[in-house]
Amino acid sequence: DVKVTQSSRYLVKRTGEKVFLECVQDMDHENMFWYRQDPGLGLRLIYFSYDVKMKEKGDIPEGYSVSREKKERFSLILESASTNQTSMYLCASSMISAANTGELFFGEGSRLTVL
Amino acid sequence: SQQGEEDPQALSIQEGENATMNCSYKTSINNLQWYRQNSGRGLVHLILIRSNEREKHSGRLRVTLDTSKKSSSLLITASRAADTASYFCATVLLPGFQKLVFGTGTRLLVSP
Repeated sequence: DVKVTQSSRYLVKRTGEKVFLECVQDMDHENMFWYRQDPGLGLRLIYFSYDVKMKEKGDIPEGYSVSREKKERFSLILESASTNQTSMYLCASSMISAANTGELFFGEGSRLTVL
Repeated sequence: SQQGEEDPQALSIQEGENATMNCSYKTSINNLQWYRQNSGRGLVHLILIRSNEREKHSGRLRVTLDTSKKSSSLLITASRAADTASYFCATVLLPGFQKLVFGTGTRLLVSP
């Protein structure tokens, strides 16, 4: 069964802390994504990556960075967490296909609270 | 920026009834996808319809696409309490990279 695993379901951090959210997929997918989800705003794309060591900014990259050192792993980093980064973070992956469907496989989410 | 807008924002029905959710989008698309999210969980892909298709079925799901109106609808027939979830439409834009843009979702509550 295909799987996207996010390392932490729930985290509580303090303002100013550095936060790492880890995501691993076992489907050999080329593309990986980080979204954040907030009530009334839906899912917003933070960063994505289409290959190892490659990254592209999404719609709301400010305050975040990412790392993709291995194909299966995509990390989201909050260099200095702030209260407005309290949110649900969703990792997803997809394969590059000739059909260009873009179907995403999601992890279970990481709910981050910044105090 | 949000590409899709779902309507209604929330829908409450009884088991056995049909549920219809609508999605409107703004720009040309390669395909449109519907996802389901149970409370506090990740999203699960339900069905995909390509821009050259008008209707698609999968089990109790029926999706339509009207590219002239830039809109889609998801119909769940004979709903069950287990269908209670949020439903999102997502579009793959033209041209280029397979990046999905999500709407804000419809919360469906199916009461026994």
